[in-house]
Amino acid sequence: SQTIHQWPATLVQPVGSPLSLECTVEGTSNPNLYWYRQAAGRGLQLLFYSVGIGQISSEVPQNLSASRPQDRQFILSSKKLLLSDSGFYLCAWSEDRGHTIYFGEGSWLTVV
Amino acid sequence: KNEVEQSPQNLTAQEGEFITINCSYSVGISALHWLQQHPGGGIVSLFMLSSGKKKHGRLIATINIQEKHSSLHITASHPRDSAVYICAVSMEYGNKLVFGAGTILRVKS
Repeated sequence: SQTIHQWPATLVQPVGSPLSLECTVEGTSNPNLYWYRQAAGRGLQLLFYSVGIGQISSEVPQNLSASRPQDRQFILSSKKLLLSDSGFYLCAWSEDRGHTIYFGEGSWLTVV
Repeated sequence: KNEVEQSPQNLTAQEGEFITINCSYSVGISALHWLQQHPGGGIVSLFMLSSGKKKHGRLIATINIQEKHSSLHITASHPRDSAVYICAVSMEYGNKLVFGAGTILRVKS
């Protein structure tokens, strides 16, 4: 069966520090991968999606970047965090558009 | 105007009540998803549908493609159903999911 994991689960980082959130999927190949952010009291916002290794689409201009070094690995990064980067980050995967989407456990990021 | 609109934003119900959450969208879609987010933040997919109706336990989801509208029903609601319910649509073209703002449901015993 397929599983998705992301880590760390919680993170408190000072402003200006780097960020790396990692997500891995098991039990499937060539998944579509997504990073979402949910700011406090707001809905989910798509940050990045990837349909294959090295293929990253960015949905909103921001302080973050994403990479897909392996087929089932998706990394969300920042060189210098801002206070506004605080939020709940979710990794997700689907086989293709129009298929069921599965979410990771989420990562709570607090930038102080 | 958001591409996906949910109503109501907040809903409080008594245990045992029949609950309906509505979702309307304004774009072409390949599928519609109903998601459940628990207080800890974790999200699970409840339904994915592109036509008709699906049922899983006490949950029923319907979609009317012509009217661009979907409903999520919960029969015999229970306090453990308390969560945020999110409607999302897979865009007809591309790989994007567009989310509604969510409906906060609280079921009181």
